[in-house]
Amino acid sequence: GAGVSQSPSNKVTEKGKDVELRCDPISGHTALYWYRQSLGQGLEFLIYFQGNSAPDKSGLPSDRFSAERTGGSVSTLTIQRTQQEDSAVYLCASSSRRTGGKDTQYFGPGTRLTVL
Amino acid sequence: AQTVTQSQPEMSVQEAETVTLSCTYDTSENNYYLFWYKQPPSRQMILVIRQEAYKQQNATENRFSVNFQKAAKSFSLKISDSQLGDTAMYFCAFMRGETSGSRLTFGEGTQLTVNP
Repeated sequence: GAGVSQSPSNKVTEKGKDVELRCDPISGHTALYWYRQSLGQGLEFLIYFQGNSAPDKSGLPSDRFSAERTGGSVSTLTIQRTQQEDSAVYLCASSSRRTGGKDTQYFGPGTRLTVL
Repeated sequence: AQTVTQSQPEMSVQEAETVTLSCTYDTSENNYYLFWYKQPPSRQMILVIRQEAYKQQNATENRFSVNFQKAAKSFSLKISDSQLGDTAMYFCAFMRGETSGSRLTFGEGTQLTVNP
């Protein structure tokens, strides 16, 4: 079946502009995660959605970052007033949450964000 | 907080030979999961192998196997009969085994190059 998809693949923006990154999880997966991969910080957790529960936003680096998940499926990560330090690859992952078990997270191809 | 350490930033191996990538972690948890992911230049993070901490038997997936030493908090990946397609960045990752969703904590990565 189809894997996790992300769009756009690459995004170049100017400092101070807002950007939206999209993630389509694997069909039927109830859990969705956003991570950021940058040269200086490695791979960092940003936010986690599970079904209709309140998201875990503890990894968001500042209030310029927000994310939503509509209808328990597609998620959008929004970065307002982008800064050069926001330049990174943003990875999305999804997993299914079977009772009594913990499923593996499957990743999308990422969005490379470049802030000029 | 959990930490994951990969002490080998780069490694190389000849095609058809065996290579071992090291990973150590620190946690006070007793129930957790460990993963190896590979990330080729395409950026797609691909699951290589998964180990549940409660299982004493080391996980294997075809040419990939792990040496899980729970007391030493060590989780190394052995790649047998290395192939050119194994060239990638390899990440070791830790996930807590709580009932609710849990983020992955990644190591810094090891760049593996398989030479012809």
